[in-house]
Amino acid sequence: GDSVTQMEGPVTLSEEAFLTINCTYTATGYPSLFWYVQYPGEGLQLLLKATKADDKGSNKGFEATYRKETTSFHLEKGSVQVSDSAVYFCALSGASYKIIFGKGTRLHILP
Amino acid sequence: ETGVTQTPRHLVMGMTNKKSLKCEQHLGHNAMYWYKQSAKKPLELMFVYSLEERVENNSVPSRFSPECPNSSHLFLHLHTLQPEDSALYLCASSLSVRFTDTQYFGPGTRLTVL
Repeated sequence: GDSVTQMEGPVTLSEEAFLTINCTYTATGYPSLFWYVQYPGEGLQLLLKATKADDKGSNKGFEATYRKETTSFHLEKGSVQVSDSAVYFCALSGASYKIIFGKGTRLHILP
Repeated sequence: ETGVTQTPRHLVMGMTNKKSLKCEQHLGHNAMYWYKQSAKKPLELMFVYSLEERVENNSVPSRFSPECPNSSHLFLHLHTLQPEDSALYLCASSLSVRFTDTQYFGPGTRLTVL
């Protein structure tokens, strides 16, 4: 079945560092890919999405490119801030409303 | 502000209690969802409603009973829960159940079963 694998956390970086959180997926067909973020004490928020190969999703300085050849959707940000500390979830959606989530990666940004 | 609210935010209950979780969406959506978020596990989809009709019951134990009286409100009725049911319960809504429609999540109810 469809699945999402993302890097284990926690990831700890200093402010202004470059961020990469790896995500790979297994799916039949052509899924849509998402990154959700969960700030402390809150629910999940959609951060960005891409619906077809080579699409780049971007929001709040974060980017991810849908790579069909490597079945990947890595999240990147050039310069992280303390306020980016949260849990990040990679996810996919195939032909239905069912979203398959990864286990999440906790990100700590030190001032 | 996501437009999806959940109450209560925290709930502690004994195994013999009956309680209900409430979700309300202010987005004009027609689909609503219950998810369970446990530590170290991916989010689990529990129930899906489309236009107030249940379209998904993902092998959830009968001690969890959903109710969707209208497209803006969703409840999760709880009775005789087990300690392993302690988790964050998230509600979400979307315009429809089409996979292209983005799901918007509420802040969750943190449930502890003693």
